[in-house]
Amino acid sequence: GQQVMQIPQYQHVQEGEDFTTYCNSSTTLSNIQWYKQRPGGHPVFLIQLVKSGEVKKQKRLTFQFGEAKKNSSLHITATQTTDVGTYFCAAPGGGGATNKLIFGTGTLLAVQP
Amino acid sequence: SAVISQKPSRDICQRGTSLTIQCQVDSQVTMMFWYRQQPGQSLTLIATANQGSEATYESGFVIDKFPISRPNLTFSTLTVSNMSPEDSSIYLCSTWTVYGYTFGSGTRLTVV
Repeated sequence: GQQVMQIPQYQHVQEGEDFTTYCNSSTTLSNIQWYKQRPGGHPVFLIQLVKSGEVKKQKRLTFQFGEAKKNSSLHITATQTTDVGTYFCAAPGGGGATNKLIFGTGTLLAVQP
Repeated sequence: SAVISQKPSRDICQRGTSLTIQCQVDSQVTMMFWYRQQPGQSLTLIATANQGSEATYESGFVIDKFPISRPNLTFSTLTVSNMSPEDSSIYLCSTWTVYGYTFGSGTRLTVV
């Protein structure tokens, strides 16, 4: 079945350093979504990318969708302690935005003040 | 975006018993999804629930163990039946809106 892998599994940074997590799929994706889960919380939708090569920014967060629509990245510039949490990419499992969502393995970000 | 109220938020249950988790959405939605998240792990889809039809289960999950109800377009329940310690996990319901997937706050289940 479809798998979505993320690297790294865990990253520890000093506050102010940059952070990047990468997401790779074995199949071409119709879209990819990113979620943040704070410790003890539930996943919260961040963004959806649909177009090949698409780049979107949200303040210090930059999201990119690969040209082949098989990979994606999330880059955080100048991390803050509020960025702590697990970042998941996720993609539709059966095609189409309303179908079931397959989550990546996640990257846990720790930020040391 | 849709808001989902999920309860209970946590429970400690004896093995062999069952727990029913409820999710109420503040708007009508076509599909609801149930996920399991084991400690430190990613989310695994249990099943997709459409109103008026039987839920569709993912590989490794069966209706006898995780019966789901979807009586209307705003409500769904997941029952974890005949629980064992291996069922200890966080269970989350979800639905899709144009704003992305929205999750309930989760049910943290501990089976002793």
